[in-house]
Amino acid sequence: AQKVTQAQTEISVVEKEDVTLDCVYETRDTTYYLFWYKQPPSGELVFLIRRNSFDEQNEISGRYSWNFQKSTSSFNFTITASQVVDSAVYFCALSEVSTSGTYKYIFGTGTRLKVLA
Amino acid sequence: EAQVTQNPRYLITVTGKKLTVTCSQNMNHEYMSWYRQDPGLGLRQIYYSMNVEVTDKGDVPEGYKVSRKEKRNFPLILESPSPNQTSLYFCASSFEGRSSLRNEQFFGPGTRLTVL
Repeated sequence: AQKVTQAQTEISVVEKEDVTLDCVYETRDTTYYLFWYKQPPSGELVFLIRRNSFDEQNEISGRYSWNFQKSTSSFNFTITASQVVDSAVYFCALSEVSTSGTYKYIFGTGTRLKVLA
Repeated sequence: EAQVTQNPRYLITVTGKKLTVTCSQNMNHEYMSWYRQDPGLGLRQIYYSMNVEVTDKGDVPEGYKVSRKEKRNFPLILESPSPNQTSLYFCASSFEGRSSLRNEQFFGPGTRLTVL
């Protein structure tokens, strides 16, 4: 069955440190999509990035970067020079076609990142 | 402003009293979905809908009903709420393109439900 594992429940870093959030997924399909979402203390869910299973190119957006490796079924997220505003819960998610032909989403349990000033 | 709205934002109710949480989006999205968020369990999909009159079960559908009579609305119905349905609920929507690209979901602000 499809599954998303975020083994790190909570991480604390000091401001300006780099931090990597791990995401490991399981799926039986060859076509699937991976996502990262951020949930700041205010509670809303904010989309960060999407990757499809055919695109293993890593991506950098400012201080954020994502490393997608199909060989290890991982889609890790790195924040460089972390800031207090990065404090949030981060969710990794997998989307794939269900047995009925519709799309299902599986979210990980989230990693709470605390960036200390 | 493009958005997903949910009502109510907060609700305290008692066991067995039917309730509906409304969800509406103004982006003409085909895909809509309901999630519940619980500590240590992350977000779990309850039901989703690919389009009008097309709904399917997510991972935790027991105790919930949905309907999709209009494209913009996707209400979540709890016919007989129980305390284990106390949770934070999110509605989400996304665009479904013919290219089968999976687009990101836009989430509503959440509804905090307490069932006593």
